[in-house]
Amino acid sequence: NAGVTQTPKFRILKIGQSMTLQCTQDMNHNYMYWYRQDPGMGLKLIYYSVGAGITDKGEVPNGYNVSRSTTEDFPLRLELAAPSQTSVYFCASSPKQGDYSNQPQHFGDGTRLSIL
Amino acid sequence: AQRVTQPEKLLSVFKGAPVELKCNYSYSGSPELFWYVQYSRQRLQLLLRHISRESIKGFTADLNKGETSFHLKKPFAQEEDSAMYYCALMNRDDKIIFGKGTRLHILP
Repeated sequence: NAGVTQTPKFRILKIGQSMTLQCTQDMNHNYMYWYRQDPGMGLKLIYYSVGAGITDKGEVPNGYNVSRSTTEDFPLRLELAAPSQTSVYFCASSPKQGDYSNQPQHFGDGTRLSIL
Repeated sequence: AQRVTQPEKLLSVFKGAPVELKCNYSYSGSPELFWYVQYSRQRLQLLLRHISRESIKGFTADLNKGETSFHLKKPFAQEEDSAMYYCALMNRDDKIIFGKGTRLHILP
Protein backbone atom coordinates (compact mmCIF):
# COMPACT_ATOMS: atom_id res chain seq x y z
CA ASN A 1 0.00 0.00 0.00
CA ALA A 2 1.20 3.47 -0.85
CA GLY A 3 -0.96 4.96 1.92
CA VAL A 4 -1.92 8.61 1.43
CA THR A 5 -0.33 10.26 -1.60
CA GLN A 6 -0.33 14.02 -2.16
CA THR A 7 0.72 15.85 -5.28
CA PRO A 8 2.43 18.18 -5.92
CA LYS A 9 4.98 18.37 -3.11
CA PHE A 10 5.77 22.04 -3.77
CA ARG A 11 4.06 24.78 -5.72
CA ILE A 12 4.37 28.53 -6.14
CA LEU A 13 1.31 30.42 -7.31
CA LYS A 14 0.63 34.01 -8.20
CA ILE A 15 -2.16 35.89 -6.48
CA GLY A 16 -5.47 35.13 -8.19
CA GLN A 17 -4.37 31.88 -9.79
CA SER A 18 -6.20 28.66 -9.13
CA MET A 19 -4.98 25.13 -8.55
CA THR A 20 -6.01 21.74 -7.27
CA LEU A 21 -4.10 19.82 -4.65
CA GLN A 22 -4.49 16.12 -5.24
CA CYS A 23 -4.89 13.49 -2.54
CA THR A 24 -5.47 9.80 -3.02
CA GLN A 25 -5.46 6.85 -0.63
CA ASP A 26 -5.40 3.14 -1.38
CA MET A 27 -6.55 1.85 2.00
CA ASN A 28 -10.29 2.00 1.31
CA HIS A 29 -10.74 4.47 4.16
CA ASN A 30 -14.08 6.14 4.63
CA TYR A 31 -12.90 9.39 6.19
CA MET A 32 -10.62 11.88 4.49
CA TYR A 33 -9.42 15.27 5.73
CA TRP A 34 -7.61 18.36 4.54
CA TYR A 35 -5.59 20.41 7.00
CA ARG A 36 -3.40 23.44 6.68
CA GLN A 37 -0.41 24.08 8.89
CA ASP A 38 0.96 27.60 8.98
CA PRO A 39 4.63 28.09 9.98
CA GLY A 40 5.15 27.21 13.63
CA MET A 41 1.46 26.62 14.17
CA GLY A 42 -0.83 23.65 14.68
CA LEU A 43 -3.20 21.93 12.29
CA LYS A 44 -6.38 23.59 11.14
CA LEU A 45 -9.09 21.49 9.53
CA ILE A 46 -10.27 22.88 6.19
CA TYR A 47 -12.72 20.25 4.96
CA TYR A 48 -13.45 16.62 5.62
CA SER A 49 -15.46 13.82 4.07
CA VAL A 50 -17.12 10.82 5.66
CA GLY A 51 -17.54 8.98 2.39
CA ALA A 52 -17.95 9.33 -1.35
CA GLY A 53 -20.36 12.12 -2.21
CA ILE A 54 -20.31 13.67 1.27
CA THR A 55 -18.20 16.64 2.34
CA ASP A 56 -18.32 18.99 5.33
CA LYS A 57 -16.66 22.23 6.31
CA GLY A 58 -14.01 22.27 8.95
CA GLU A 59 -12.59 25.16 10.92
CA VAL A 60 -11.21 27.26 8.01
CA PRO A 61 -13.08 26.44 4.77
CA ASN A 62 -13.18 29.91 3.18
CA GLY A 63 -11.31 30.13 -0.10
CA TYR A 64 -11.33 26.38 -0.67
CA ASN A 65 -13.55 23.76 -2.26
CA VAL A 66 -13.49 19.98 -2.19
CA SER A 67 -15.18 17.06 -3.86
CA ARG A 68 -15.32 13.34 -3.10
CA SER A 69 -16.52 11.51 -6.18
CA THR A 70 -14.67 8.32 -5.24
CA THR A 71 -13.54 6.71 -2.01
CA GLU A 72 -9.91 7.05 -3.05
CA ASP A 73 -9.67 10.71 -4.09
CA PHE A 74 -10.25 13.93 -2.19
CA PRO A 75 -8.92 16.93 -4.16
CA LEU A 76 -8.71 20.40 -2.63
CA ARG A 77 -9.31 23.37 -4.92
CA LEU A 78 -8.10 26.94 -4.47
CA GLU A 79 -10.05 29.18 -6.83
CA LEU A 80 -8.42 32.59 -6.28
CA ALA A 81 -5.11 32.17 -4.50
CA ALA A 82 -4.33 34.73 -1.81
CA PRO A 83 -1.11 35.27 0.19
CA SER A 84 -2.95 34.17 3.34
CA GLN A 85 -3.20 30.71 1.84
CA THR A 86 0.55 30.24 1.92
CA SER A 87 0.89 27.14 4.07
CA VAL A 88 1.67 23.44 4.16
CA TYR A 89 -1.37 21.36 3.31
CA PHE A 90 -1.82 17.87 4.70
CA CYS A 91 -4.29 15.30 3.55
CA ALA A 92 -5.25 12.44 5.86
CA SER A 93 -7.53 9.43 5.89
CA SER A 94 -8.96 7.17 8.55
CA PRO A 95 -10.94 3.94 8.65
CA LYS A 96 -13.92 3.19 10.82
CA GLN A 97 -13.23 2.94 14.52
CA GLY A 98 -12.12 -0.53 15.43
CA ASP A 99 -10.91 -1.30 11.92
CA TYR A 100 -7.50 0.21 12.39
CA SER A 101 -4.64 -2.08 13.26
CA ASN A 102 -1.90 0.47 13.70
CA GLN A 103 -3.10 4.04 13.62
CA PRO A 104 -6.40 5.87 13.38
CA GLN A 105 -5.36 8.53 10.91
CA HIS A 106 -2.80 8.31 8.15
CA PHE A 107 -1.19 11.45 6.81
CA GLY A 108 0.33 12.32 3.48
CA ASP A 109 3.72 14.02 3.14
CA GLY A 110 2.16 17.43 2.62
CA THR A 111 2.10 20.03 -0.13
CA ARG A 112 4.09 23.19 0.49
CA LEU A 113 2.27 26.05 -1.20
CA SER A 114 3.51 29.63 -1.57
CA ILE A 115 1.35 32.42 -2.94
CA LEU A 116 3.33 35.40 -4.20
CA ALA B 1 -18.79 20.07 22.79
CA GLN B 2 -16.03 17.72 21.73
CA ARG B 3 -12.70 19.37 22.19
CA VAL B 4 -9.02 18.62 22.72
CA THR B 5 -7.02 21.25 24.54
CA GLN B 6 -3.25 21.49 24.62
CA PRO B 7 -2.60 24.52 26.80
CA GLU B 8 1.07 24.96 25.94
CA LYS B 9 2.00 26.18 22.49
CA LEU B 10 5.71 25.82 23.20
CA LEU B 11 7.54 23.84 25.86
CA SER B 12 11.30 24.13 26.36
CA VAL B 13 13.02 21.48 28.46
CA PHE B 14 16.67 20.79 29.15
CA LYS B 15 18.16 17.53 27.91
CA GLY B 16 17.86 14.88 30.62
CA ALA B 17 15.00 16.65 32.39
CA PRO B 18 11.49 15.17 32.62
CA VAL B 19 8.92 16.09 29.99
CA GLU B 20 5.17 16.44 30.40
CA LEU B 21 2.99 17.60 27.53
CA LYS B 22 -0.51 18.39 28.72
CA CYS B 23 -3.71 17.32 27.01
CA ASN B 24 -7.25 17.73 28.25
CA TYR B 25 -10.36 16.62 26.44
CA SER B 26 -14.06 17.31 26.51
CA TYR B 27 -16.21 14.38 25.44
CA SER B 28 -19.35 12.75 26.82
CA GLY B 29 -18.49 9.10 26.61
CA SER B 30 -15.42 6.92 26.43
CA PRO B 31 -13.03 8.41 23.87
CA GLU B 32 -10.17 6.82 22.05
CA LEU B 33 -7.13 9.03 22.63
CA PHE B 34 -3.86 9.28 20.77
CA TRP B 35 -0.63 11.22 20.58
CA TYR B 36 0.84 12.11 17.20
CA VAL B 37 4.33 13.48 16.59
CA GLN B 38 5.64 15.56 13.71
CA TYR B 39 9.41 15.88 13.31
CA SER B 40 10.77 18.79 11.34
CA ARG B 41 9.40 18.86 7.78
CA GLN B 42 7.88 15.38 8.07
CA ARG B 43 4.38 14.03 8.09
CA LEU B 44 2.48 13.41 11.30
CA GLN B 45 2.87 9.91 12.64
CA LEU B 46 1.22 8.07 15.47
CA LEU B 47 3.27 8.00 18.65
CA LEU B 48 0.96 6.07 20.94
CA ARG B 49 -2.66 5.28 21.72
CA HIS B 50 -4.21 4.94 25.13
CA ILE B 51 -5.77 1.51 24.59
CA SER B 52 -2.34 0.01 23.90
CA ARG B 53 -0.89 1.19 27.19
CA GLU B 54 2.53 1.03 25.57
CA SER B 55 5.72 3.03 25.84
CA ILE B 56 7.14 4.35 22.59
CA LYS B 57 10.55 6.08 22.46
CA GLY B 58 10.33 6.32 26.24
CA PHE B 59 7.03 8.20 26.16
CA THR B 60 3.94 7.10 28.07
CA ALA B 61 0.48 8.56 28.45
CA ASP B 62 -2.18 7.61 30.96
CA LEU B 63 -5.84 8.31 30.47
CA ASN B 64 -7.32 9.98 33.56
CA LYS B 65 -11.07 9.99 33.13
CA GLY B 66 -11.65 11.89 36.36
CA GLU B 67 -9.50 14.78 35.19
CA THR B 68 -10.32 14.20 31.48
CA SER B 69 -6.61 14.29 30.74
CA PHE B 70 -4.15 12.33 28.63
CA HIS B 71 -0.79 13.91 29.40
CA LEU B 72 2.32 12.68 27.57
CA LYS B 73 5.35 12.01 29.74
CA LYS B 74 8.96 11.03 29.42
CA PRO B 75 11.35 10.83 32.38
CA PHE B 76 14.51 12.01 30.57
CA ALA B 77 14.30 14.24 27.51
CA GLN B 78 16.59 13.63 24.54
CA GLU B 79 17.51 16.11 21.82
CA GLU B 80 15.80 13.98 19.18
CA ASP B 81 12.51 14.47 21.01
CA SER B 82 12.29 18.01 19.66
CA ALA B 83 9.14 18.00 17.53
CA MET B 84 5.52 19.07 17.34
CA TYR B 85 3.18 16.90 19.41
CA TYR B 86 -0.55 16.61 18.82
CA CYS B 87 -3.10 15.07 21.12
CA ALA B 88 -6.12 13.62 19.32
CA LEU B 89 -9.49 12.12 20.12
CA MET B 90 -11.63 9.78 18.05
CA ASN B 91 -15.34 10.09 18.74
CA ARG B 92 -18.07 7.48 18.32
CA ASP B 93 -18.70 8.74 14.77
CA ASP B 94 -15.09 7.87 13.82
CA LYS B 95 -14.14 11.52 13.50
CA ILE B 96 -10.66 12.54 14.63
CA ILE B 97 -10.33 15.78 16.58
CA PHE B 98 -6.85 17.22 17.04
CA GLY B 99 -5.55 19.66 19.59
CA LYS B 100 -3.62 22.74 18.45
CA GLY B 101 -0.30 21.06 19.14
CA THR B 102 2.64 21.73 21.43
CA ARG B 103 6.11 22.38 20.09
CA LEU B 104 8.67 20.64 22.29
CA HIS B 105 12.12 22.15 22.21
CA ILE B 106 14.90 20.24 23.96
CA LEU B 107 17.70 22.49 25.11
CA PRO B 108 21.26 21.11 25.14
